[in-house]
Amino acid sequence: KNEVEQSPQNLTAQEGEFITINCSYSVGISALHWLQQHPGGGIVSLFMLSSGKKKHGRLIATINIQEKHSSLHITASHPRDSAVYICAVSPSVVTQGGSEKLVFGKGTKLTVNP
Amino acid sequence: DAGITQSPRHKVTETGTPVTLRCHQTENHRYMYWYRQDPGHGLRLIHYSYGVKDTDKGEVSDGYSVSRSKTEDFLLTLESATSSQTSVYFCAISEGSPVTQYFGPGTRLLVL
Repeated sequence: KNEVEQSPQNLTAQEGEFITINCSYSVGISALHWLQQHPGGGIVSLFMLSSGKKKHGRLIATINIQEKHSSLHITASHPRDSAVYICAVSPSVVTQGGSEKLVFGKGTKLTVNP
Repeated sequence: DAGITQSPRHKVTETGTPVTLRCHQTENHRYMYWYRQDPGHGLRLIHYSYGVKDTDKGEVSDGYSVSRSKTEDFLLTLESATSSQTSVYFCAISEGSPVTQYFGPGTRLLVL
């Protein structure tokens, strides 16, 4: 079983719809990250959160530490939101040299149709 | 943008040939990482570095070696490329605690 599970794997929506992507994890963490990757593009960090909720424009990320669960919401979705959204966690354990290695989910591919 | 570049951006090579990918950063970050990204697997860590000449293996290190002789450069070498190493390779740096990782633009490698 992967330490970070995302659902759904694929999501198709119509422009304007409210979208939710879920992430569950099984390890103790110091933080959770949401990343975005457009087709053929690089990977960009959207949020890092360790508690509560963060909002940036139409994107909202929430985390429940007790339930080991996070959600990424997109309000009023737009075709330019089409991308792969990746959940990653920073495990509480620090590895050799003090490096914190992220553990990644497999991503959720979002397609927003006009 | 954390000043990360990767070269080459695209490469086609033949099975059995050596390949070196370069990651260059301009902001003196201590920690650097090499990942590969494949459909159905997501990002997987190959090797990472926590300083000049200090490196360690990740979860998919077989067939790969790395070197870091300068803070700014982290090299990934496939000693003898195989078709299973066809992938997109991303370099990353991290800063802060908890870390935020910043990724390079990626290198698409095709091994024929």
